[in-house]
Amino acid sequence: EIVLTQSPGTLSLSPGERATLSCRASQSVTSNYLAWYQQKPGQAPRLLIYGASSRATGIPERFSGSGSGTDFTLKISRLEPEDFAMYYCQQYEASPRTFGQGTKVEIK
Amino acid sequence: EVQLVQSGAEVKKPGESLKISCKGSGYTFTNFWVGWVRQMPGKGLEWMGIIYPGDSDTRYSPSFQGQVTISADRSISTAYLQWSSLKASDTAIYYCARQIPVADAFDVWGRGTLVTASS
Repeated sequence: EIVLTQSPGTLSLSPGERATLSCRASQSVTSNYLAWYQQKPGQAPRLLIYGASSRATGIPERFSGSGSGTDFTLKISRLEPEDFAMYYCQQYEASPRTFGQGTKVEIK
Repeated sequence: EVQLVQSGAEVKKPGESLKISCKGSGYTFTNFWVGWVRQMPGKGLEWMGIIYPGDSDTRYSPSFQGQVTISADRSISTAYLQWSSLKASDTAIYYCARQIPVADAFDVWGRGTLVTASS
C-alpha cells in the first residue's frame, strides 16, 4: 500500500498570501496518478487537481499542482477567504487507492 | 446536472444490519465507476472500494474487504454500501463519488450519509 504523508499538518496564512502544500509518497507514483481535494467543514470533498497537474472543471487558476515520483505539491497563488479549508492528496497509481492525512489551511 | 444523491442519516445498534444508497443522475450511470469513502468523526478520508455498475466489477481496500459489501442496481442507477453486523467503530460519514474516466479520481461526490452505531 502506498502511504501518502502530507505536510505541514496546519498552515497558518493570511488572505492574499501564497500557500504551498506537500504530499510525499512512500513509493514512486510513476504515472503521476495523484489528485488533490479540498474539503470545507460539513461539506463533501471537491476535486481540484488530477494527474498531478491538471485542474478539474471549474477550478480557479490560482490552484496549481506539480511534482513527480514521490514528491508532489499543491500551490494556491493568492489565498481567497473561501480557500481556508482542509486539503487531501490521493494516489490512484496502485491498489488500494489511498489518501494523505490532510493539511489544514487556516487564517492567521 | 450530474449528481449523486445519498440516503439519509441512520442510527443503528451494534450488531444490526444496514444498507445505504447512492443514486446517480444526469449521466450514464453504467459507464462510470462509483466509489465509497469513509470519514470517521474529526478524521481524514479513507478509500473503501469501488464498483463498475455496468458489470458489477467490484474492488475493495484490504482494510474493508469482508467488512462491507458494495453493490449496484443499474436499472435504478443506484449503488449501495451494506453491513451485515455494524460495530460502534463503523460510526462515520460515508461518501459515494463518481470516478472520472481519464483518471481514477473522484469528480462528483454525494453529500454523505452519517451512520451512527450506538447502543
